[in-house]
Amino acid sequence: LAKTTQPISMDSYEGQEVNITCSHNNIATNDYITWYQQFPSQGPRFIIQGYKTKVTNEVASLFIPADRKSSTLSLPRVSLSDTAVYYCLVAFDNAGNMLTFGGGTRLMVKP
Amino acid sequence: DTGVSQDPRHKITKRGQNVTFRCDPISEHNRLYWYRQTLGQGPEFLTYFQNEAQLEKSRLLSDRFSAERPKGSFSTLEIQRTEQGDSAMYLCASSLEIASSSNQPQHFGDGTRLSIL
Repeated sequence: LAKTTQPISMDSYEGQEVNITCSHNNIATNDYITWYQQFPSQGPRFIIQGYKTKVTNEVASLFIPADRKSSTLSLPRVSLSDTAVYYCLVAFDNAGNMLTFGGGTRLMVKP
Repeated sequence: DTGVSQDPRHKITKRGQNVTFRCDPISEHNRLYWYRQTLGQGPEFLTYFQNEAQLEKSRLLSDRFSAERPKGSFSTLEIQRTEQGDSAMYLCASSLEIASSSNQPQHFGDGTRLSIL
């Protein structure tokens, strides 16, 4: 069962745009791609979800190519408070019930 | 919407003792999930409920673990005869599942951190 693959860590500076790419080669036809953010000692927080093309909300954008084998989370103008672990998830069963978390990407935003 | 609430936030106990955690999901959310997270790792799925029915269990959920959701609202996770390896953060999540779509996002609580002495 293939897992999602993300960079282990990334560094950025305040005000920059950050793009985190996730690979998910075995995504099922009906699965959505979901991104979560997690701070230490807190539960994951939902950021954004999409199925294809592009989705944008007040905090992020999600880009998904036509083959859906990868996705890119884009965080515009990051601040120090965006320092966190970011998880890319898809469900690998057709029922879409079980979230499979990988190791996530540890984003460090520097001043 | 007060979010998913978990109690207690921290639990310290001696090896061999039983512990029980409680999760109160977002009201009207019909699905409730339990995950376990160890330091430096992503959360691992344990089990989930659709209303009061427990529909799926992970192989991680040994026979020392039991979860209930008796009235389809709050849920409890009990660990019997705790072991050192049970030390982790136990996370609860809930979602509102619609028959036509199974991809509603899950909303997580802040977890119960269990430490086994």
